[in-house]
Amino acid sequence: KNQVEQSPQSLIILEGKNCTLQCNYTVSPFSNLRWYKQDTGRGPVSLTIMTFSENTKSNGRYTATLDADTKQSSLHITASQLSDSASYICVVSSHTGRRALTFGSGTRLQVQP
Amino acid sequence: NAGVTQTPKFRILKIGQSMTLQCAQDMNHNYMYWYRQDPGMGLKLIYYSVGAGITDKGEVPNGYNVSRSTTEDFPLRLELAAPSQTSVYFCASSYRDPRVDTQYFGPGTRLTVL
Repeated sequence: KNQVEQSPQSLIILEGKNCTLQCNYTVSPFSNLRWYKQDTGRGPVSLTIMTFSENTKSNGRYTATLDADTKQSSLHITASQLSDSASYICVVSSHTGRRALTFGSGTRLQVQP
Repeated sequence: NAGVTQTPKFRILKIGQSMTLQCAQDMNHNYMYWYRQDPGMGLKLIYYSVGAGITDKGEVPNGYNVSRSTTEDFPLRLELAAPSQTSVYFCASSYRDPRVDTQYFGPGTRLTVL
């Protein structure tokens, strides 16, 4: 069964600090991996997408890494801001199957002043 | 562009009542989806559509129905509401297959069934 596990479930950091969120998956065959940001009361918004051949992808202060061999991804946030407070969702897609996308349950990040 | 819009934002239903959650997109996307998000869980696909007149079941379709008469609209119908359908519902769309194209999500509808 395809699964996406994210850790930690929640995280509190001080403004200006860095943090790293983890995503482990068992989706096969792998197509790509996305990170979404979901603000409270809003729908998810795409941050990055990585295919099998990509190891890292940046979007401003967000940097995602992918290790397809160990089936792990991380999202690193640099110099956090209060506006980074949100849930971060890892989504892995498979080449085959009707239910092609598997969503993680997310990491809830709170940035405090 | 308004993107993906959903109505209503909030709704409380009694057990056994029915309702339709509305979803519209103005990006001329072919693919549209309905997800539900339960607390502490990942989004689960309810139904999806690859174009007007074409719909298919997702992971958790029981208790729901959809139709896609136009490219823009993709309403979700709940018949005989049950407490297990208490959730936040998200509509999304993409131009092509979500394995290659980014999905754009609406703001969600928070539904409570009492």
